[in-house]
Amino acid sequence: GAVVSQHPSRVICKSGTSVKIECRSLDFQATTMFWYRQFPKQSLMLMATSNEGSKATYEQGVEKDKFLINHASLTLSTLTVTSAHPEDSSFYICSASITGGYGYTFGSGTRLTVV
Amino acid sequence: DQQVKQNSPSLSVQEGRISILNCDYTNSMFDYFLWYKKYPAEGPTFLISISSIKDKNEDGRFTVFLNKSAKHLSLHIVPSQPGDSAVYFCAASIPNTGNQFYFGTGTSLTVIP
Repeated sequence: GAVVSQHPSRVICKSGTSVKIECRSLDFQATTMFWYRQFPKQSLMLMATSNEGSKATYEQGVEKDKFLINHASLTLSTLTVTSAHPEDSSFYICSASITGGYGYTFGSGTRLTVV
Repeated sequence: DQQVKQNSPSLSVQEGRISILNCDYTNSMFDYFLWYKKYPAEGPTFLISISSIKDKNEDGRFTVFLNKSAKHLSLHIVPSQPGDSAVYFCAASIPNTGNQFYFGTGTSLTVIP
């Protein structure tokens, strides 16, 4: 079945540094990738939608310059949290729509802790 | 490999009837399960959860059942309403992994008025 591999699963970084999170579709082409953020005991919040080869569409309130999204190929999308601060600590998860099929497949998430 | 599976991509139910959405998992280490609801163009919304120490959790019209021996999870919506029409995802997590979740691929529920 369609699988999205997300790495790293857990990362701790110092305040002011940047962190890159990768999502790869392993056996299908992900023309569209969604990036979500989840705060404890809350729903996943859509941050942005990225389409291969074009600029990502960010949701209201999400800083484009802080959360850089690159979807350079049909199998790879990355989210870079730039100049991370402790308030960026959260759980980030990607999701891809399955081209030619149905539904969405999710990565297993990345727990980011900024110290 | 998909560790959480929702084998029914879609489901149609008459308003007022019961909707039953199913989810199967393969990893016996999962100990916490959630259901999310997603409307078009919106992010998933948390609906209900259940810990592996329970076999049932109820919240209003929504009840989640867990059968650990069968590695099966189901969400019951009674009575179903047109506003329940959405895509439903089940998710599971393993303890001590920092909230790392494994999601199913979703079931699109349509409640017919």
